[in-house]
Amino acid sequence: LAKTTQPISMDSYEGQEVNITCSHNNIATNDYITWYQQFPSQGPRFIIQGYKTKVTNEVASLFIPADRKSSTLSLPRVSLSDTAVYYCLVAPMDSSYKLIFGSGTRLLVRP
Amino acid sequence: DAGVIQSPRHEVTEMGQEVTLRCKPISGHDYLFWYRQTMMRGLELLIYFNNNVPIDDSGMPEDRFSAKMPNASFSNLKIQPSEPRDSAVYFCASSPAGTPGNEQFFGPGTRLTVL
Repeated sequence: LAKTTQPISMDSYEGQEVNITCSHNNIATNDYITWYQQFPSQGPRFIIQGYKTKVTNEVASLFIPADRKSSTLSLPRVSLSDTAVYYCLVAPMDSSYKLIFGSGTRLLVRP
Repeated sequence: DAGVIQSPRHEVTEMGQEVTLRCKPISGHDYLFWYRQTMMRGLELLIYFNNNVPIDDSGMPEDRFSAKMPNASFSNLKIQPSEPRDSAVYFCASSPAGTPGNEQFFGPGTRLTVL
């Protein structure tokens, strides 16, 4: 499984756009990129998943360049409630369901 | 749907005691996962089941840990005997069959403290 690297922590202010970049240099052709969010004292929650280019949903956008060696999770206009740990994962398209969670990025949104 | 249900939410026990953690996955989901989260090691996959059959238990730390899924609605994770280093938050997650790397739905977790 491809290893991912992301910043340990980030700070932001309410109303700002936050971009968290994840590096996955060894991503394989059949890998998807998935992001999860974890609030304190809760289990992780799926945010968004993509394979290439751009994916957008009601929560976030995911930008994936052509070489797919990195991806950027974009959170528009964050609020205090977006304070959480964000995990970038790479999951193969084959029958393996083994998700490997790294250390994640601890996002702190300040008023 | 109530989501993934775990019980108990908190468990405090003494070293050497048997601990049983329980999970009810989302109805209709074919996959069930057990994870452990600690500050030191982060979120680790312990074992996962497909249609009640264990597929990969390579993350189970040692023989003191065992997990069963007797039917599609229930799984348990047992630790016998428990040790202080087993203290962690244990999460159960489930996901439907379909595209691999599919979305996993996590329960609220069980916080285990072994004294």
